Amino acid sequence: DAGVIQSPRHEVTEMGQEVTLRCKPISGHDYLFWYRQTMMRGLELLIYFNNNVPIDDSGMPEDRFSAKMPNASFSTLKIQPSEPRDSAVYFCATRTSGGGVTQYFGPGTRLTVL
Amino acid sequence: TQLLEQSPQFLSIQEGENLTVYCNSSSVFSSLQWYRQEPGEGPVLLVTVVTGGEVKKLKRLTFQFGDARKDSSLHITAAQPGDTGLYLCAGAKNAGNNRKLIWGLGTSLAVNP
Repeated sequence: DAGVIQSPRHEVTEMGQEVTLRCKPISGHDYLFWYRQTMMRGLELLIYFNNNVPIDDSGMPEDRFSAKMPNASFSTLKIQPSEPRDSAVYFCATRTSGGGVTQYFGPGTRLTVL
Repeated sequence: TQLLEQSPQFLSIQEGENLTVYCNSSSVFSSLQWYRQEPGEGPVLLVTVVTGGEVKKLKRLTFQFGDARKDSSLHITAAQPGDTGLYLCAGAKNAGNNRKLIWGLGTSLAVNP
């Protein structure tokens, strides 16, 4: 079984550029979570979806961040324009509604904004 | 405000030593999970504890959930270099299916050969 797939694994960009991070959830998982991880703040939940519908986006830091889930197999997190303080590792995690609270994480995208 | 406090933040020990790391909160959780994260990877679930006072063992790892379901501990016996990683605790709040996990900052463990 393929796990959660994220791309790219590493992204280096310049301030002001648009960044798009991608996630393919585990087949059959109907919850999808986007997290940001830094040393100072740990894992922060940005937004999560259930059945492709955004449920809670209260963690999205500002309007520069947006997330979509056009279908059950794909989600994107976009930052436009990017800033150096957005540098972090971004994780996508998924779970099933019948599987308790256990989340399955992708390998993450390490974003560096210069 | 960090709802889940983990301590210590960093720990470096020699192979064969025992250690305990803690996860504390003033909030009650319906369940609590421990994950381990290795460099360059996402967190992976180790265990879920649900009942106050519950103790679970996973080989050399012993997990305990506090009686009041506000805190938890992870004890590792005879640590090995393969135990190196970031240990994260996460508490589940809210009933029903739309449950979020509240994450601690983690304990970074290094086991030296």
